[in-house]
Amino acid sequence: DVKVTQSSRYLVKRTGEKVFLECVQDMDHENMFWYRQDPGLGLRLIYFSYDVKMKEKGDIPEGYSVSREKKERFSLILESASTNQTSMYLCASAVSQFDQPQHFGDGTRLSIL
Amino acid sequence: SQQGEEDPQALSIQEGENATMNCSYKTSINNLQWYRQNSGRGLVHLILIRSNEREKHSGRLRVTLDTSKKSSSLLITASRAADTASYFCVLGNEKLTFGTGTRLTIIP
Repeated sequence: DVKVTQSSRYLVKRTGEKVFLECVQDMDHENMFWYRQDPGLGLRLIYFSYDVKMKEKGDIPEGYSVSREKKERFSLILESASTNQTSMYLCASAVSQFDQPQHFGDGTRLSIL
Repeated sequence: SQQGEEDPQALSIQEGENATMNCSYKTSINNLQWYRQNSGRGLVHLILIRSNEREKHSGRLRVTLDTSKKSSSLLITASRAADTASYFCVLGNEKLTFGTGTRLTIIP
């Protein structure tokens, strides 16, 4: 089975801090994704990566950046955390971008105080 | 809205009954996917149905797709307490667009 592991289940940070969320997948997938999930809004795509060092903006990239230095690892960076970035963050990986199943981690519930 | 609209938003049924969830959409799609999310966990892929397919089965799950009506349904037969979760309709074209989900509660 595909395993996508997110480094933290719960995280509390302060406004203005630089925050790193890490995601690792073990299935050699080319594609990895970062979403945030908010009540009433569903999942929204922040960034995705289709290869090492390659990235594409999703629907809501503002305030975020990403890094993919190794195929199995995809990091989401909040450059200067703000309270409106309090959310559930979900990482996923897939064989192809949008026509195959995506495999999700268990999420990181991030609170910015 | 470009996302799928799930109906109902919430559903409670007795264990052993069948559960049906519907999804309507407005855009063109290449595929439609259904995912399950247990409380506080990540999403789990259930079924992917392509735009040229009309029906797919997986165990107790049956998905239909009617592209002329731009609608899909997910049927869970003989429900179990473990089926309690949120179910999401996801539209696949140049990206994946997630709906807001149906919250299903199975009453033991």
